[in-house]
This record gives sequence, structure tokens and C-alpha cells, in this order.
Amino acid sequence: EIVLTQTPLSSPVTLGQPASISCKSSHSLVHSDGNTYLNWLQQRPGQPPRLLIYKVSNRFPGVPDRFSGSGAGTDFTLKISRVEAEDVGVYYCMQATQFRPWTFGQGTKVEIK
Amino acid sequence: EVQLVESGGGLVQPGGSLRLSCAASGFSLRSHWMHWVRQVPGKGLMWVARIDGDGSSRTYADSVEGRFTVSRDDAKNTLYLQMDSLRGEDTAVYYCAREGAGDLLCLYDYWGQGSLVSVSS
Repeated sequence: EIVLTQTPLSSPVTLGQPASISCKSSHSLVHSDGNTYLNWLQQRPGQPPRLLIYKVSNRFPGVPDRFSGSGAGTDFTLKISRVEAEDVGVYYCMQATQFRPWTFGQGTKVEIK
Repeated sequence: EVQLVESGGGLVQPGGSLRLSCAASGFSLRSHWMHWVRQVPGKGLMWVARIDGDGSSRTYADSVEGRFTVSRDDAKNTLYLQMDSLRGEDTAVYYCAREGAGDLLCLYDYWGQGSLVSVSS
């Protein structure tokens, strides 16, 4: 099973300031088809998760451009360029390169200072 | 508009059974692989089960294999999770999630609102 480790686990951020979350994988996430199936999800309080970024750096339709993803192999990063109040929640990285199972990071809580 | 509406959660005793439903609208279940993902309240996410587009392939997490069964009713466009021999550690919010298609494989593009299952005596 692929283990995803996120840091930090908590990120207090001032409104308008950037935030960055790291996700490190226990194994390379490069699939045999050449794609890297590393996704980022956002879970607002009391809501189901929703997809933000897929295949490392692709924003899902409707996701604001202040969200960006980068990385390769085993190291990945989600960045929020300027945190807004609606960005409060828990962020998860998720790998879909190796099945079964698809696995998730433990989550990073973003809150406003 | 794509919607996934779950129902069937509740309180059950250890060893008991429960069936969750996930009614899909705005698309056909036959065109997408569907998954169940659970989340212990306040904790992280864990993949539980998957069923493919024609219902012929069903896969489970080790922790639920042999106790949970994922199925579909195409006429009702509804996904199910039959949970038997329930244990305390199965207590969680259960989400149904749609896997994308085409260029959007290997991701969840839609999620249900979640259904809470509590296993306790």
C-alpha cells in the first residue's frame, strides 16, 4: 500500500497570504501509462470532499486559479497563492496510481490566524 | 446536473447489518466506475469498495472484504453497499463517489453528501 505523508498537519494563515502543503509518497506515483495520478481534495467543514487538482497540476473545472499543484515522482505540493476565508478546511492528497487501494494523506487543516 | 444522494445510515449493534443506498441522477451508473469511501468523524479518508461500469468487477479494502458487498440497480440508477458483521471500527461517514471518465479517470469528480453509520451496543 502506498503511504502519503502530508506536512504540515495544521497551517494557520493570514488572509491574503500564501499557503503551501507538502505530500510525500512512499513510492513513485508514476504509472506505467506515463501519468502521475496524484490529486488534491478540499473538505470544508461539514461538507464532503471535492476535487481541486488532478494529475499533479490540473485544476478541476470551477476551481479558482489561486490553487496550484506541482511535483513529480514522490514529492508534491499544493499552493494557495492568497488564502481567502472560504479556503478554510482540510486538504488531502490522494494517489490513484496503485490500486488497490487508492490512498489518501492524513490531511492538512488550513485555518485563519 | 450530476447528483449523488445517499441514505440508509444509522445506529446498528455489533454483528448487525445495514444497507446504504446512493441514488444517482444526471448520469448513468453504467458509464462510470463507482466507489465507496469512508471517514471516521474528525479523521481521514479511506477507500472501501469499487464497482465497475458493467458491474462485473467488484473490489474491496482488506478490512471489509467478505463482510461488505457493493452492487447496483441499473433500473433505479442506484448504488448500494451491503454491510454485514459490522464492527465498532466500521463507524464512519460513508460517501459514494463517482470516478471520472475519459481523460478524468483515476479521480473522484462527484461525491455524495455522506451517510453516518454508527456501530455500538
